[in-house]
Amino acid sequence: ETGVTQTPRHLVMGMTNKKSLKCEQHLGHNAMYWYKQSAKKPLELMFVYNFKEQTENNSVPSRFSPECPNSSHLFLHLHTLQPEDSALYLCASSQEGTGTSGANVLTFGAGSRLTVL
Amino acid sequence: KQEVTQIPAALSVPEGENLVLNCSFTDSAIYNLQWFRQDPGKGLTSLLLIQSSQREQTSGRLNASLDKSSGRSTLYIAASQPGDSATYLCAGIKAAGNKLTFGGGTRVLVKP
Repeated sequence: ETGVTQTPRHLVMGMTNKKSLKCEQHLGHNAMYWYKQSAKKPLELMFVYNFKEQTENNSVPSRFSPECPNSSHLFLHLHTLQPEDSALYLCASSQEGTGTSGANVLTFGAGSRLTVL
Repeated sequence: KQEVTQIPAALSVPEGENLVLNCSFTDSAIYNLQWFRQDPGKGLTSLLLIQSSQREQTSGRLNASLDKSSGRSTLYIAASQPGDSATYLCAGIKAAGNKLTFGGGTRVLVKP
């Protein structure tokens, strides 16, 4: 148990479906992240939330819609996805860094493996 | 253009041999460097974090160094074991904000 729990662990969906990925952290952190890991590509940052506010959107298509109702929960709503969106979606959390002396140790969840048919 | 590069992409060694994994970064704004381990189909486990004020960090058989002037970090794993087989990722952390930029990883196989 890493302190960051992601559900579901595996998801198969059609291109017209609507589904959501959920992430929950029990570490008292105030920053949460979504990362995408595709085959043969480096991990890509998608979204960052600090104190429930979105502070980073890395040019992610609108078919991915994040939601952060509180500092402990993060969702990724999926709608009209494409087969190339199939990937491992990783959630992470950290204590927000404090200037240049901050050490942002990220704790990752186990990921949600998404397959889009 | 990839900001963080890991070479080699894959590495196979016999058990007991020391492992040397390289990470290089081009962005001078990267000031902390974090190493992770990822087992197949799993999430990431943080191994070591080297802050800008440090040159190296050690944890058990693991030692990571950071040379900001050359834009390089090296992860050493002493006396490798089959259980060390995994993908090792490095990630740079910039001074502004709290996002990590990852390298492509080095897939390690330690043969018994």
